[in-house]
Parts: sequence; C-alpha cells; structure tokens
Amino acid sequence: SAVISQKPSRDICQRGTSLTIQCQVDSQVTMMFWYRQQPGQSLTLIATANQGSEATYESGFVIDKFPISRPNLTFSTLTVSNMSPEDSSIYLCSVVSSGYEQYFGPGTRLTVT
Amino acid sequence: EDQVTQSPEALRLQEGESSSLNCSYTVSGLRGLFWYRQDPGKGPEFLFTLYSAGEEKEKERLKATLTKKESFLHITAPKPEDSATYLCAVRRLDANTGNQFYFGTGTSLTVIP
Repeated sequence: SAVISQKPSRDICQRGTSLTIQCQVDSQVTMMFWYRQQPGQSLTLIATANQGSEATYESGFVIDKFPISRPNLTFSTLTVSNMSPEDSSIYLCSVVSSGYEQYFGPGTRLTVT
Repeated sequence: EDQVTQSPEALRLQEGESSSLNCSYTVSGLRGLFWYRQDPGKGPEFLFTLYSAGEEKEKERLKATLTKKESFLHITAPKPEDSATYLCAVRRLDANTGNQFYFGTGTSLTVIP
C-alpha cells in the first residue's frame, strides 16, 4: 500500500484565481492520477500525471485549465486555473500499485465563490 | 461502450440484516475488478481485487465475488460502522492507450442500529 497526503485539505477561492494542489506519496510510483468528485457522485478522471513528460488529459479537460506537474515519482501538483463556481468539487490524487489497485489521497475540497 | 453500473444507488439495512451490492460491467479485456469503500469527506479506500470468474475474497463481514458480467459485495450481519459508499472499478488493458480504469457511481449503504 501507499500513504498519500494532499495539501491543502480545503480552500475557498475567489472566481478568476488559481489554486495549486499538492500530492505527496511515501514511495516511488509510476502511475498517478488526478480525479474530480462532485458531492454525492463518483470519480471523474481528469488526467494521468506522467513523470518527466506532459500529463495525459481525459476528454473535457485541457492543460490550460488544469496544468499538472510531476517532477519525480513521489510528487505531483494539479493547478485549477481561472476558477469559476463550476470548479467547486473535491479533487483527489491516486497512485496505482503493482497489483493495479489504487490508493487515494484524502482529497482537497475546493469551493469557488 | 465500456461501462460500470452499480445497484442499488442507496441501501438502508437494519443492523444484522445481510444483503448484497451489485456491480455489473460491460468492459472488454477485463484485467481486474476492484472494490473500494469511501467514507464522507475521505478518499476511497481499497478493499478487494478480483481477477477471474468464480474468484472470491473476504474481509471481516464483507465478501466479494465475481462472474463474467458482474460482481457482488455481500455484507453479512452489518454493523453501523459499515455505513459508507462502496465503489467498484474495473481495469481494462487497451493496446493503444494502456491501462484504463472505469468507476461505477457507487452504492451508499446506511446501517441502522
């Protein structure tokens, strides 16, 4: 298993600003994902964070809005840019183990006003 | 279309009243089915991985089973602390895009004392 921490745990931001979310893992992992989860709903994959290269984005998500960095195998950041109230959500990072199960961070609860 | 469907959406049980949660999938090239538990305000927590039809896994009051088209999460004599949302996910291996994970929308379980 892996232990994952996220910062911040929650934030309230003004419309038009940006927030960077950090994800730290206690071991080196190859596959890392960023998800969004609306209240009461399931997980929506934003992108796969690739170490040393650009992230791979899912349909409906673009790099200009959600830039991702992955400088090494234990750390990644997701930035939510030019925020609007529609970006209010819980953002989760996860890592994939050798058995392909995922381990998730505790999430970042973002509210945009 | 690759899809994962969970039912019911919500389930209320009396303490001690056993029941089952369903996860059906229409994913080609299945390479594993995963069950997660998610408590409010937290990231999903990994429970089980199932790889082939007929496989079963158990943990305390939970037992997961797998057929060619669906998986069941059986909860025997549940306790209030089993209250959570249970998510299932499948992994598919695509020749072009690699590993793909599909999550269901979850079953919200409430166990009443």
